Amino acid sequence: EVQLLGSGGGLVQPGGSLRLSCAASGFIFSSYAMNWVRQAPGKGLEWVSGISGSGGSAFYADSVKGRFTISRDNSKNTLYLQMNSLRAEDTALYYCANLYSSYWGQGNLVTVSS
Amino acid sequence: DIQMTQSPSAMSASVGDRVTITCRASQGISNFLAWFQHKPGKVPKRLIYAASSLQSGVPSRFSGSGSGTEFTLTISSLQPEDFATYYCLQHNAYPWTFGQGTKVEIK
Repeated sequence: EVQLLGSGGGLVQPGGSLRLSCAASGFIFSSYAMNWVRQAPGKGLEWVSGISGSGGSAFYADSVKGRFTISRDNSKNTLYLQMNSLRAEDTALYYCANLYSSYWGQGNLVTVSS
Repeated sequence: DIQMTQSPSAMSASVGDRVTITCRASQGISNFLAWFQHKPGKVPKRLIYAASSLQSGVPSRFSGSGSGTEFTLTISSLQPEDFATYYCLQHNAYPWTFGQGTKVEIK
């Protein structure tokens, strides 16, 4: 059974940092690019970031470029999203996802507020 | 960056209606397009991949068409469980982009 178990969400002040993790099982993690997708309250889905299977290539939406860093540890089957300089508009439910196979985590809520 | 313009943004329809949702890409994306259904409190569910291929387990009333810049998702006969928000996603070039979504509501 495929599982993507996210962790690391929570409440953080504007300008603060947070790291999301996503532990994968049930598929060959290193063979697949992985992604982060978010949904702000009352808004649509937004693709945030993606990383190749090897971890050698990373890509970002303009809205997070320079502030967020995606990474992965294939020895631990885990995907990460380091989020720095957080803003109120980053408040959202963050999903990790293998979009090629359409495997999704349950989502982790990040709230940026003072 | 490739922009995906989805229309309509919302619609009211009745059970049994034929529903059509359109996505237009700002540049050609071949067939690197997927359609997702999203219900509140659930994770998004992929309905269509490669523009026109039906995801395993998805009812045949869902279909996708198009290539290049114009794409369509069609629900041939709307069922009660189909009331949801639908999104297209282009994955031809990074950054990948979703359409703005189409909320299908009960008339």
